[in-house]
This record gives sequence, structure tokens and C-alpha cells, in this order.
Amino acid sequence: GAVVSQHPSRVICKSGTSVKIECRSLDFQATTMFWYRQFPKQSLMLMATSNEGSKATYEQGVEKDKFLINHASLTLSTLTVTSAHPEDSSFYICSSRSTDTQYFGPGTRLTVL
Amino acid sequence: AQTVTQSQPEMSVQEAETVTLSCTYDTSENNYYLFWYKQPPSRQMILVIRQEAYKQQNATENRFSVNFQKAAKSFSLKISDSQLGDTAMYFCAFMNPGLGSSNTGKLIFGQGTTLQVKP
Repeated sequence: GAVVSQHPSRVICKSGTSVKIECRSLDFQATTMFWYRQFPKQSLMLMATSNEGSKATYEQGVEKDKFLINHASLTLSTLTVTSAHPEDSSFYICSSRSTDTQYFGPGTRLTVL
Repeated sequence: AQTVTQSQPEMSVQEAETVTLSCTYDTSENNYYLFWYKQPPSRQMILVIRQEAYKQQNATENRFSVNFQKAAKSFSLKISDSQLGDTAMYFCAFMNPGLGSSNTGKLIFGQGTTLQVKP
């Protein structure tokens, strides 16, 4: 149980375009989901907390207008990177909270050319 | 604010041997959860083990066990009979479950320890 999917696994886009990443909890409902960013060989950096039916809570230093989060249902949260630039290239990971444990998606590798 | 520290950036162990990964944390809370997650080269984060602070008994999951020392704020992970598939980056994490609308169940991660299991 506690399976989280993430789509796409890899995406390459041109600078200035927008990219949407989906995160789904497949076998449980999650009122809270999280989005992280991870650089190679480093720890996970929390970007924002996504709450079903309400606005996301962003961590300090994360641009909410650039990283749009929508949590429209109990099983789906999306992260849209708007007007992507090469410095947005990274590995993005989502997680879903089930009781008091977070379960993670497989991640999305974003490359902005 | 809570912090989590993993003081061993890299470790290695021979296959079939035992290795212990260290983790310390700082909090003023009494009720919380601690976790070890594993991130293999695929980069999928996998839950290894979970400990509830109010439980004195150390959690175990097959070859994985923890030494939870609440007073010392220490939470080490022991891997017995190491296997090649245990090669991964291991993250220690803290969660304050809290109560009310301000509680989101955020995880506070340590810096990670890269474990190499050698044949």
C-alpha cells in the first residue's frame, strides 16, 4: 500500500515554456501533499505544502508565482513550473501524507534548455 | 526549530556485515516521529523504518533496526547482513505531528549518508 505516482518521470523543455508535473496517491487519500526539490547528492528541500481545497503554503524563498501548485482532489496535486529557465533544472519529488508518514513519488527530472 | 544532523557523509561496508548510521536531532517537543528513508540510485525515496517517540521499544524491520535514545536525541540505524541492494543514500527525518491547522506533518531531513556496500 501507500503508492504515490509522479508523471512525467523526465521532461525536457525550452526556456520560457511552462511544465506541469502530476503527483497522485494511488491507494489512499491525501489531504496534504508536499513538493520537494533535490540537487545531486544533496538532501531534499521542501518547496511547498499542498492542501486539498485550499492554497498551498510555500517555504521561504520559493516564488509562488513561478511554482504554481494545485491540489484539486484528495489524490492529485500538480506543480507547474512557469516560464522555466535553465536554473530551474532539477529533480522534483512529491510526497503524500498518510496518517503520520510521508510516502514519496519516484520523482521528475526537469531539464530546461 | 527542529534540526536533524547526520555526521557521516559517506560510509562503506562489506557485503554480509553490519553497519550503523548515525543521526541526532534537536527538538523541544515530547511527541514526534522519526524516520529513516533510503534513496537508491533510481532516486525513489523508500521508507525504511519509523519510530514513534512515545514508544520505548526500538523499531525493527527485518534486517533494519534502530537505536532510539530519546534523552540523548539520537536515532541510529543498524543494517545487518548488508546486501548489495542496500547501496543508497540514507536520510534521517523528524516529524512533529502536532495538532490543529498549523500541523502539516512536515519532514525535517538530515544531510544524508551515502552507503556503499562492497562485494
